[in-house]
Amino acid sequence: GEDVEQSLFLSVREGDSSVINCTYTDSSSTYLYWYKQEPGAGLQLLTYIFSNMDMKQDQRLTVLLNKKDKHLSLRIADTQTGDSAIYFCAESRGYSSASKIIFGSGTRLSIRP
Amino acid sequence: SAVISQKPSRDICQRGTSLTIQCQVDSQVTMMFWYRQQPGQSLTLIATANQGSEATYESGFVIDKFPISRPNLTFSTLTVSNMSPEDSSIYLCSVVGGTDTQYFGPGTRLTVL
Repeated sequence: GEDVEQSLFLSVREGDSSVINCTYTDSSSTYLYWYKQEPGAGLQLLTYIFSNMDMKQDQRLTVLLNKKDKHLSLRIADTQTGDSAIYFCAESRGYSSASKIIFGSGTRLSIRP
Repeated sequence: SAVISQKPSRDICQRGTSLTIQCQVDSQVTMMFWYRQQPGQSLTLIATANQGSEATYESGFVIDKFPISRPNLTFSTLTVSNMSPEDSSIYLCSVVGGTDTQYFGPGTRLTVL
């Protein structure tokens, strides 16, 4: 099946780390993505990881991939109010990202002072 | 990354009418896609817009309801035909950019009364 699952809500204190988790079902996934959607805006590609990688770090963002468990996570260090958004986990199959992307339901991240 | 614009950014339409949404990219791209995001939901792929041939539709979407044009490598349109309130959604186009990842436009927020 084509399932990407993530929890709907996450609340963290400003300055703490946020960890958003995602599970997917298709072991043939080749690309895994994290997109950010701010209120009233389109989708912004935050980062992506190839399925043959375990980790990718980009400034405050760390992506961890456990291919055996089909588990993907996004860690945001030093979470700021500007990080408030919906974060979508997504995956695609095939040999390029031109393949169909399957999105999770999105996790709404809220920041408390 | 590719710069993508959509017109209109939002519209309120009457039941039974049609709306054409435009997607413009600042560079030539091979792959363009149209997605729908219903209120509070994740994104669902409607179709792949192919240059020089008919669009390829996903299950549950048909050409009569969502005709697509792709006259060149920088432009595409999606028409939402004979609209009903259930068509109220955000419609997003996406393209595969130079880094072989998908980038999304800002979306068109459609409300059908």
